[in-house]
Amino acid sequence: EVQLVESGGGLVKPGGSLRLSCAASGFTFSTYTMNWIRQAPGKGLEWVSSISSSSNYIDYADSVKGRFTISRDNAKNSLYLQMDSLRAEDTAVYYCARDITPLLLIIAYWGQGTLVTVSS
Amino acid sequence: EIVLTQSPDFQSVTPKEKVTITCRASQSIGSSLHWYQQKPDQSPKLLIKFASQSFSGVPSRFSGSGSGTDFTLTINSLEAEDAATYYCHQSSSLPRTFGQGTKVEIK
Repeated sequence: EVQLVESGGGLVKPGGSLRLSCAASGFTFSTYTMNWIRQAPGKGLEWVSSISSSSNYIDYADSVKGRFTISRDNAKNSLYLQMDSLRAEDTAVYYCARDITPLLLIIAYWGQGTLVTVSS
Repeated sequence: EIVLTQSPDFQSVTPKEKVTITCRASQSIGSSLHWYQQKPDQSPKLLIKFASQSFSGVPSRFSGSGSGTDFTLTINSLEAEDAATYYCHQSSSLPRTFGQGTKVEIK
């Protein structure tokens, strides 16, 4: 069974930093593109970032480019999101998500999410 | 960036009624359109992939159709457990984008 468990969320002041982690299990983590998706309170879904299986392809939404850094450790079956220069508009539940197969870019499995609140 | 526009934003429906949600893309995306269901305080779940293919374990009352720029999610014979927000999502080109969501309420 695919399991994705996020951690690291919390309350941070504007301009601060936070590092999110996602522990993956139940599949061969090293073969899948992984993603971060976020959802502001009461709002819709927004793709944040993706990283390919060997980290040779990385992409970010314009809204976080230059401030967020996605990474992964295939030996530890873990995905990360380093968030710097945080703003109030970054307040959201952040989901770790896996594509349906190694070759198809369809987000199929989601974690339970971790809440990030940016407020003074 | 491809913009996905869903309609309606909200729908109040009686059980056993048929529900139709549409998603329009700002440019052609072939069949690279997928549908998700998100219940309150839960993470989204994939229902339909590539416009019309049901994902594993999804009840048969959920179906999808369309191609190009216009797509439809249909829920036949709505059940109380189907109360949720439904999102469309495209994977035709980067960045991946989502529709704004359609909330389905049970009367």
